[in-house]
Amino acid sequence: GENVEQHPSTLSVQEGDSAVIKCTYSDSASNYFPWYKQELGKRPQLIIDIRSNVGEKKDQRIAVTLNKTAKHFSLHITETQPEDSAVYFCAADSSASKIIFGSGTRLSIRP
Amino acid sequence: NAGVTQTPKFQVLKTGQSMTLQCAQDMNHNSMYWYRQDPGMGLRLIYYSASEGTTDKGEVPNGYNVSRLNKREFSLRLESAAPSQTSVYFCASSAGTGVSPLHFGNGTRLTVT
Repeated sequence: GENVEQHPSTLSVQEGDSAVIKCTYSDSASNYFPWYKQELGKRPQLIIDIRSNVGEKKDQRIAVTLNKTAKHFSLHITETQPEDSAVYFCAADSSASKIIFGSGTRLSIRP
Repeated sequence: NAGVTQTPKFQVLKTGQSMTLQCAQDMNHNSMYWYRQDPGMGLRLIYYSASEGTTDKGEVPNGYNVSRLNKREFSLRLESAAPSQTSVYFCASSAGTGVSPLHFGNGTRLTVT
C-alpha cells in the first residue's frame, strides 16, 4: 500500500543554523505534499505545501523541494529559532485520495 | 468560525466498553478524516470520507466504525475498546479530496484500561 518514510526521527541544530528533513513516498500517483508542525499537546498545523507541478516553494525561512522522479521531497528551515522546536510531519496524497503521513521528526533548537 | 470541533477532549474506558467520538466542521468542507497518533508512530489514517455519503478504510481501520452523518459531522465508534486503542485521536477536514490542506481538531485523548 501507500507509504511515506521520513528521516531523521530526531534532529538537533544550533540556533541560527539550517535544518533539513527528508521524506520519500511510494505512490507514483501522489500529487500533493504538505508539511505540518505540531507543538507539544497541540494539533498539527499546515506550514507549507507543494503540488507536483512545482519543484520548489518558499515561504520566508521555510522551503520545500520535490523530486518526482526520485519520489522524495524535503523541508528546509533556515536561520532556525527557538520557536521552530516542534515535531514536523510530511504527508502525501494517494491515488485513493487518502492523505498518508510520515512518522515525524522531533526538531530541537539548541541556544 | 470554530473550524473542526471534537468531543470529548478526554475519555477513559474499560476494556470491552463502547463509545463514539464526535467531530463537526463548519467550513463547508467535503472531505473528513479520522487519524490516531501514538508516540513515535506519527499520524495513522483510520477512516476517511471523501464526500457526504461515502466512507473508506485507511491504514488502520480494524476495531473502528465510522458514520458520515451529514456534510458537517463524521463520527468514529469503538464497539469494544481494547488497550491497543489507547491513543490521541484527531479528526480533520479538507475542502476536497487529496489536494487540499487538512484542518485538524484539537484531538481526543483516549485511555483504555
